[in-house]
Amino acid sequence: DTEVTQTPKHLVMGMTNKKSLKCEQHMGHRAMYWYKQKAKKPPELMFVYSYEKLSINESVPSRFSPECPNSSLLNLHLHALQPEDSALYLCASSQRTTSLTDTQYFGPGTRLTVL
Amino acid sequence: AQSVTQPDIHITVSEGASLELRCNYSYGATPYLFWYVQSPGQGLQLLLKYFSGDTLVQGIKGFEAEFKRSQSSFNLRKPSVHWSDAAEYFCAVDGGSGGGADGLTFGKGTHLIIQP
Repeated sequence: DTEVTQTPKHLVMGMTNKKSLKCEQHMGHRAMYWYKQKAKKPPELMFVYSYEKLSINESVPSRFSPECPNSSLLNLHLHALQPEDSALYLCASSQRTTSLTDTQYFGPGTRLTVL
Repeated sequence: AQSVTQPDIHITVSEGASLELRCNYSYGATPYLFWYVQSPGQGLQLLLKYFSGDTLVQGIKGFEAEFKRSQSSFNLRKPSVHWSDAAEYFCAVDGGSGGGADGLTFGKGTHLIIQP
């Protein structure tokens, strides 16, 4: 089973709202990722968590706050977003092996619209 | 830094015809390469991957890809396309140290249109 689940599927929020995106995997993977994908563009890496620790933050604005409560869950907390933050937010996970043969598996994404 | 180029933004193929989607990479060491497919509004599904060994790799849904180091290419092929293959296809390279540590760098994607 290579399933990564994301909730909600769709989210509409105002610029003053606080919301959270959730991602879950039960494959025993130890690395989890957030990507942002604008329409007709490729996914762009935002954050990487490795063994529940933030290992990469690709200069993402502080209005995006990731959290990894345990090895199966990954959250993205949203606050004071801008309309240009509207996008598909993709979560992925990988085994995070030392054999350099890691593969990322993606969830279906959350479609975020900021009004 | 690593990068991936997909030269074709759109490709139109007749149903039943063969398909080749191009991908060129720029990377100093042995690249770890992937092809993903994305249907509209959906997440990415892994088609196949190359880490080492046999340069011709088989994937799901009848796809295959060939790694050619001399041409810095990793082209995706399918002998006979079906209407359900219409989607966005992304080539990606694992960044740097492998093991997923640096996330993936994606090409800009190729939009595949299937003509009846």
